[in-house]
Order: sequence, then C-alpha cells, then structure tokens
Amino acid sequence: LAKTTQPISMDSYEGQEVNITCSHNNIATNDYITWYQQFPSQGPRFIIQGYKTKVTNEVASLFIPADRKSSTLSLPRVSLSDTAVYYCLVGYEMGGGGNKLTFGTGTQLKVEL
Amino acid sequence: NAGVTQTPKFQVLKTGQSMTLQCAQDMNHNSMYWYRQDPGMGLRLIYYSASEGTTDKGEVPNGYNVSRLNKREFSLRLESAAPSQTSVYFCASSEISDEREFFGPGTRLTVL
Repeated sequence: LAKTTQPISMDSYEGQEVNITCSHNNIATNDYITWYQQFPSQGPRFIIQGYKTKVTNEVASLFIPADRKSSTLSLPRVSLSDTAVYYCLVGYEMGGGGNKLTFGTGTQLKVEL
Repeated sequence: NAGVTQTPKFQVLKTGQSMTLQCAQDMNHNSMYWYRQDPGMGLRLIYYSASEGTTDKGEVPNGYNVSRLNKREFSLRLESAAPSQTSVYFCASSEISDEREFFGPGTRLTVL
C-alpha cells in the first residue's frame, strides 16, 4: 500500500480557493487516488477519485502530475460548511475480493469568515 | 434510499458487558465493512465482508466478532466490552473492488 503524507491542518477564509496536497511517492501503477471528506460526528464521504491529469466534479477538482507521486485536492471558493477533515487514500489492499482502505489522520481544514 | 443505517446511535456499556451493533445497506452492495475511529485519529478497519458469506479480519479485529447475516446486513459484536473499545464505530459498504465506500452515521460507544 502506498503511504500518504498530507498536512495535519489548514486554515482558510470564506471565498478562497483551498489546495490540499498529498504525497504518495511509492504509488503503484494500478493505484487510483481517492479523497474523502468527514464532517464532525459523521462518517466519511467520498468526494473525488482520479488516476492521472485532472478530474473535476461538482464538489472539487483533483490535479495529478505526470509522475503521480503527489496529488492536489482543490476546493473552489470555500465556505464555512467546508470545514472538515479531508483524507487522501491511494490504492487499496485486496483481501478476498474486498477493499482494505487505509485512512491516515487526514487534513483538518478550518474555514473562517 | 436510506443508504447505510446503523443502530444504535449511542451506547454506554459497563466493562464485561456484551452488545451487537447493527448495520444495513439498501444499495445492493456486495462488500461491507466495520471501522472504528478514536479521537483525533483516522479510521481503522476492524472486519470486512467482501461478499455475502465471507468475512475477513482487518487491522484491529481483537475483541470483536462479525456476522454477515445476508447481503444487506452486517453486524459487529463485542462479547466482553473493555474501556479500550470506547470509540465511534462506522459501518460502510461498496461494490467489490471499488474504493468508493458509503458510510453510515456511526455509533458512539462508551465503555465504563
């Protein structure tokens, strides 16, 4: 499993763009990069997944350079409601056909007025 | 669709008591998971069931047992609760080999 490194915390203000970078130097050829968001007292929620270049959905964008050793989650114009923990996951371990995702401690994003 | 539901939402146990956490999903997913999350930490996988009829240990299985009752339901049992099992427990489900897991709202368990 590729180990990931991301900042423990980030602060921002409403209306700003926030970029959270995740390092995953030993990513395997077949690994996808997946980001989850977790609000206090809730379970994590899948927000975006990518393999290379750029992926965009209604919530965020994911930028992946050619070497795939890092990725950047971009949240456009954040609001107070984007305050959450963001987890970067890379690949998963196969076990009997199921996933074995490895969650790190994530990045605590705090958005203020 | 309700997605993934968990019962109970909160529970307080005394050391040595037993209980079962219930989880159900209505998305027709094959795989289901149980995680625990301790304060300030990420989630750790306790047990998972890749498909109906199979269960496997995750990272922290000691002190727990699971039952995949049918495709919809996956329960987690604490036979003799210990204070170290105080945590928030999340159930999740997904399609086989898909990293997009859908999580329930969690059960906050305190063992005194």
